[in-house]
Amino acid sequence: ETGVTQTPRHLVMGMTNKKSLKCEQHLGHNAMYWYKQSAKKPLELMFVYNFKEQTENNSVPSRFSPECPNSSHLFLHLHTLQPEDSALYLCASSQWGDPQTYGYTFGSGTRLTVV
Amino acid sequence: AQSVAQPEDQVNVAEGNPLTVKCTYSVSGNPYLFWYVQYPNRGLQFLLKYITGDNLVKGSYGFEAEFNKSQTSFHLKKPSALVSDSALYFCAVRDGKKKTSYDKVIFGPGTSLSVIP
Repeated sequence: ETGVTQTPRHLVMGMTNKKSLKCEQHLGHNAMYWYKQSAKKPLELMFVYNFKEQTENNSVPSRFSPECPNSSHLFLHLHTLQPEDSALYLCASSQWGDPQTYGYTFGSGTRLTVV
Repeated sequence: AQSVAQPEDQVNVAEGNPLTVKCTYSVSGNPYLFWYVQYPNRGLQFLLKYITGDNLVKGSYGFEAEFNKSQTSFHLKKPSALVSDSALYFCAVRDGKKKTSYDKVIFGPGTSLSVIP
């Protein structure tokens, strides 16, 4: 365990379903991130939350909706997805502000398959 | 703008031989550099980082990396490769000069390392 827990590990959903991915960190970090990792593509930063406030949204389609109710929890709500959204979704956290603590801690990811 | 290049998609090395995974970067200020490893169907795991100080950085699992400012490189090395080192390796950089509202790290495309028994 890295200190960042993602659930579920695997998810298969139809294009009309609504589901949510959950991420939880117990490291006391103040920033949390959602990344998308597709085969043969670089890591794509989707959303960033710093102190519970969204500070970055990298032109992500509205069918992905993030929620950060507190500094320890991060959700990614999914609805009406497309098959090309199938990927590994990674959550990460970091302690922003002190260079000596820089570095991300990643969860194990949720493998999403859209059918 | 900050960027990271990993010039090799794939590196093959025989078990017991030394390995090198290459990384070059571009930032406007002082770089903060990182290496991560990813095993199949897992998240990325932190290996080591360079923030300041000694150019040779030692990390987890016997890996080390050398910061070379003149060549803007941060190559990952290990003296003797193990089959269990086979994984995907990511180099990442943060621009120390830029003031951002979060820990803005740019990841390289990744290098797949195969250690052959």
